[in-house]
Amino acid sequence: QKEVEQNSGPLSVPEGAIASLNCTYSDRVSQSFFWYRQYSGKSPELIMSIYSNGDKEDGRFTAQLNKASQYVSLLIRDSQPSDSATYLCAVGSPGGSYIPTFGRGTSLIVHP
Amino acid sequence: GAGVSQSPRYKVAKRGQDVALRCDPISGHVSLFWYQQALGQGPEFLTYFQNEAQLDKSGLPSDRFFAERPEGSVSTLKIQRTQQEDSAVYLCASSLARDSGGAPDTQYFGPGTRLTVL
Repeated sequence: QKEVEQNSGPLSVPEGAIASLNCTYSDRVSQSFFWYRQYSGKSPELIMSIYSNGDKEDGRFTAQLNKASQYVSLLIRDSQPSDSATYLCAVGSPGGSYIPTFGRGTSLIVHP
Repeated sequence: GAGVSQSPRYKVAKRGQDVALRCDPISGHVSLFWYQQALGQGPEFLTYFQNEAQLDKSGLPSDRFFAERPEGSVSTLKIQRTQQEDSAVYLCASSLARDSGGAPDTQYFGPGTRLTVL
């Protein structure tokens, strides 16, 4: 049973701060890692994907992957109230036809 | 189309009723996925199609759930004899193809169908 664990939150940060979202996974052979943003009542939207150890930056977002520790994180710099949403971590493994397993998501609240 | 569409957006069914949920993927997308998302949870995988072939149905919770994609485009998820525990948002996602390494291409999600079973 592949597991993807996230703290459900809510994580509350002030506007302009860095929000740090964390995710751990159980399947050591996992190879693909995704962060989705889901606004309340809306569908998930992909914001970052990462496949190699290290950091990957895209605008205000940075994904960090550490396969040895089975840990992936998402940093959001200069957080804005519009970033308030649930952030879903998803992990794909070859044994599962790469179909991602999702965590339950972390609720982020950015307050003005 | 511009994105993945699903219909109906909302469905209320009486326990024991059959329902059919439709997904129109992005034109040209080979892969299609169905997920079930309960309140406060992440999406749970149900089934996966590559063109018209159903390659993985390991996530279907019971034999009351059935999915098809007969012409490799539109897909229908059917739930027979609905139960209250079937109440959830059903999400459809599509992706273009697999990359050369075998990893899936980016999944694009539809707006979902919220099913409520009374």
